[in-house]
Amino acid sequence: DIVMTQSPDSLAVSLGERATINCKSSQTVLYSSNNKNFLAWYQQKPGQPPKLLINWASTRESGVPDRFSGSGSGTEFTLTISSLQAEDVAIYYCQQYYNTSGFGQGTRLEIK
Amino acid sequence: QVQLVESGGGVVQPGRSLRLSCAVSGFTFSSYAMHWVRQAPGKGLEWVAIISDDGSNNYYADSVKGRFTISRDNSENTLYLQMNSLRAEDTAVYYCATTYGGGATDSFEYWYFDLWGRGTLVTVSS
Repeated sequence: DIVMTQSPDSLAVSLGERATINCKSSQTVLYSSNNKNFLAWYQQKPGQPPKLLINWASTRESGVPDRFSGSGSGTEFTLTISSLQAEDVAIYYCQQYYNTSGFGQGTRLEIK
Repeated sequence: QVQLVESGGGVVQPGRSLRLSCAVSGFTFSSYAMHWVRQAPGKGLEWVAIISDDGSNNYYADSVKGRFTISRDNSENTLYLQMNSLRAEDTAVYYCATTYGGGATDSFEYWYFDLWGRGTLVTVSS
């Protein structure tokens, strides 16, 4: 099984500042035949299901603000929020879908 | 309106069974693979199972293999999860989900989830 590890577990950032969440997989999630990383990012707010933000490591879903961006390849990935807004307070998860599916443990993002 | 609505959760004793349902509307259910994903209280997300569009293929997480069965009724636009031999560690909110935006042909191949229900809570306790 591919193990997904996020860092940090929690993060406090001031409004308007940058937030960075990291995700590392125990083996590559880059599929060589199509050069795509099978990696997604989700945002979950209390009492709500997760919301897909980014798939293929860097493709933003329609309607997701452009302050959210994803980067990385192979085994190391990053979700960046360029200018934190109050509504971004949530738990963020990475997910690999290279081999069945597995999620990171989550990163709780709060306002400093 | 595209919608997934789960039902069937509740409190059940260890060792007993429960069947969850997910009613789908707003898209051609029979063309999409479907998943169950669960989340224990205060914990992270765990993929549980997938079923292909026609029900002929399915896969399970090791934690539920042999105890849970995913199925579907395309004539009723409904997904099911039969849960047997329930354990305390199965306590969770159970979500149905699918890969919708990528198109039906991608839904069994690419397991990211852009469409979710609101979930149903299963509590396994004596």
